[in-house]
Amino acid sequence: QKEVEQDPGPLSVPEGAIVSLNCTYSNSAFQYFMWYRQYSRKGPELLMYTYSSGNKEDGRFTAQVDKSSKYISLFIRDSQPSDSATYLCAMRGDSNYQLIWGAGTKLIIKP
Amino acid sequence: GAGVSQSPSNKVTEKGKDVELRCDPISGHTALYWYRQSLGQGLEFLIYFQGNSAPDKSGLPSDRFSAERTGGSVSTLTIQRTQQEDSAVYLCASSFNNQPQHFGDGTRLSIL
Repeated sequence: QKEVEQDPGPLSVPEGAIVSLNCTYSNSAFQYFMWYRQYSRKGPELLMYTYSSGNKEDGRFTAQVDKSSKYISLFIRDSQPSDSATYLCAMRGDSNYQLIWGAGTKLIIKP
Repeated sequence: GAGVSQSPSNKVTEKGKDVELRCDPISGHTALYWYRQSLGQGLEFLIYFQGNSAPDKSGLPSDRFSAERTGGSVSTLTIQRTQQEDSAVYLCASSFNNQPQHFGDGTRLSIL
């Protein structure tokens, strides 16, 4: 079993829908949680960065961490075709520099 | 802005040749990471630098792979005697003081 599980998709939704992307993990020592967006032929771009449990909002994006369930989510409101990309979750512990990555979910927003 | 810069962006070479991939991190970022990403796959960690030292080389797939960093800045990843299974996108990231990593756009390596 992988340390971080992420459904590869693809997830296809109509424009304007609310999108929910998720990762589950097994290591309770993880404290830092990140979401990256990767467009085709580009490098991953940091979207959201949270520490420990709770919610963080930035524009149309909300990141949620539930450490008791070992589950993190990224919500995208009012989704746009430009949101079509692969979304990668990543996480690490307090004293570790190395990120543990999900496999990425391919998201398609249909106009 | 001055993000992470990687060169070349694309590289096609024949099996058995050596290749050098370059990464220029964000100025002031002390940590530098190399990853490999195969088609449709997640990121595979290769090596981590703190300054010019590489405390973690655990992800290098074989002794054909090596990397160095000079002046606490530019890093070069070298693959000797390339094989077809080395074909992938090689990504570089940098960070400062345990903050999140920032990535370049990668080098797309194709081995014929």
